[in-house]
Amino acid sequence: RKEVEQDPGPFNVPEGATVAFNCTYSNSASQSFFWYRQDCRKEPKLLMSVYSSGNEDGRFTAQLNRASQYISLLIRDSKLSDSATYLCVVNPKGPEYGNKLVFGAGTILRVKS
Amino acid sequence: DTGVSQDPRHKITKRGQNVTFRCDPISEHNRLYWYRQTLGQGPEFLTYFQNEAQLEKSRLLSDRFSAERPKGSFSTLEIQRTEQGDSAMYLCASSSGWGTHEQYFGPGTRLTVT
Repeated sequence: RKEVEQDPGPFNVPEGATVAFNCTYSNSASQSFFWYRQDCRKEPKLLMSVYSSGNEDGRFTAQLNRASQYISLLIRDSKLSDSATYLCVVNPKGPEYGNKLVFGAGTILRVKS
Repeated sequence: DTGVSQDPRHKITKRGQNVTFRCDPISEHNRLYWYRQTLGQGPEFLTYFQNEAQLEKSRLLSDRFSAERPKGSFSTLEIQRTEQGDSAMYLCASSSGWGTHEQYFGPGTRLTVT
């Protein structure tokens, strides 16, 4: 079983749609969780950290369910510029171990006009 | 630009040659990471430095790979006797030693071994 699993998609949605991505992780001791965005042939860019209480940043909402080892990302009012690969990322050990990140393979989002 | 920088951005080499990549982290970050990414996959961890100390190495890092961070600032990743399977994007990231330890990535070095 992979440490971080995501539906690869692609998700093809019209502008203005709401879309949700899910991710599961295998290590119950994982400490930190993130969503990164990666455009084609570019580096991953941090989109948002994910907190236990859930958090929102504009049109983006991230939630964490530790009991189910499940992370989600909701994008409201999709824009053409949201088209990218969304990477679910987990720090499987605590900060004292150096913060190696484990990435999922990514979910492709295509927003069409 | 105060972000992470990497050099070169692209490298084409013949099988068997040695290559070296450089990473300059964000200046106040004491942690530096190397990852490798192949098409259709997420980045995979290779190694990690805190200041000049290399504290963790992945089993992906064979003995042909070596990384250094001699003064705790920039880092180099060397691949000896390159193989076609080494073709990938090599990404460097840095983070501070406190807070949520978010990592910020450089633009990567795309290696093609022919």
